[in-house]
Amino acid sequence: GNSVTQMEGPVTLSEEAFLTINCTYTATGYPSLFWYVQYPGEGLQLLLKATKADDKGSNKGFEATYRKETTSFHLEKGSVQVSDSAVYFCARLGYTGRRALTFGSGTRLQVQP
Amino acid sequence: EADIYQTPRYLVIGTGKKITLECSQTMGHDKMYWYQQDPGMELHLIHYSYGVNSTEKGDLSSESTVSRIRTEHFPLTLESARPSHTSQYLCAAGVNGYNEQFFGPGTRLTVL
Repeated sequence: GNSVTQMEGPVTLSEEAFLTINCTYTATGYPSLFWYVQYPGEGLQLLLKATKADDKGSNKGFEATYRKETTSFHLEKGSVQVSDSAVYFCARLGYTGRRALTFGSGTRLQVQP
Repeated sequence: EADIYQTPRYLVIGTGKKITLECSQTMGHDKMYWYQQDPGMELHLIHYSYGVNSTEKGDLSSESTVSRIRTEHFPLTLESARPSHTSQYLCAAGVNGYNEQFFGPGTRLTVL
């Protein structure tokens, strides 16, 4: 079936450190891939997306590249800030059927000043 | 984009009560979804709808029910709430194609 696997947290970094959160997906079909962010007490916000192989999504200094050969969509940021502390979800969206998102388990990021 | 509204944001009720969680969106998106988020953060699809008068169950079995009488409205009902229903419930809407889904702020439900 469709699944998404992302690295477990929490991830604790100092401000201005480099961030990588790994995400891999099952390769059934050609899914669209997303990273969502959830700040404390809030719903999910779309952070970035990629809809086909080799696409790079980017937003607010975050980037992720759709790698079909490794079925990966790792999230990266060169210099994190305290305000980036949140839970990050990787997700895939199939292109047929009900088109609901399948989420990874979420990775909590804590950035310390 | 779609503005997605959920009410109430927080709800604490006793066991056996009937509750309805409201979800509405303003942009006329056809597809709407309910996800349940457990305390461990994982999100699971519990209901979805392709459009008016269309409802389907999702991946996670849920005792809740939904209705879609109007495009903009997708309420979720629990006939008799139990402590096992304590969770956060997130509503989302999306369109056909490869577009992303837009999420509401969520309803955090606690059943005592």
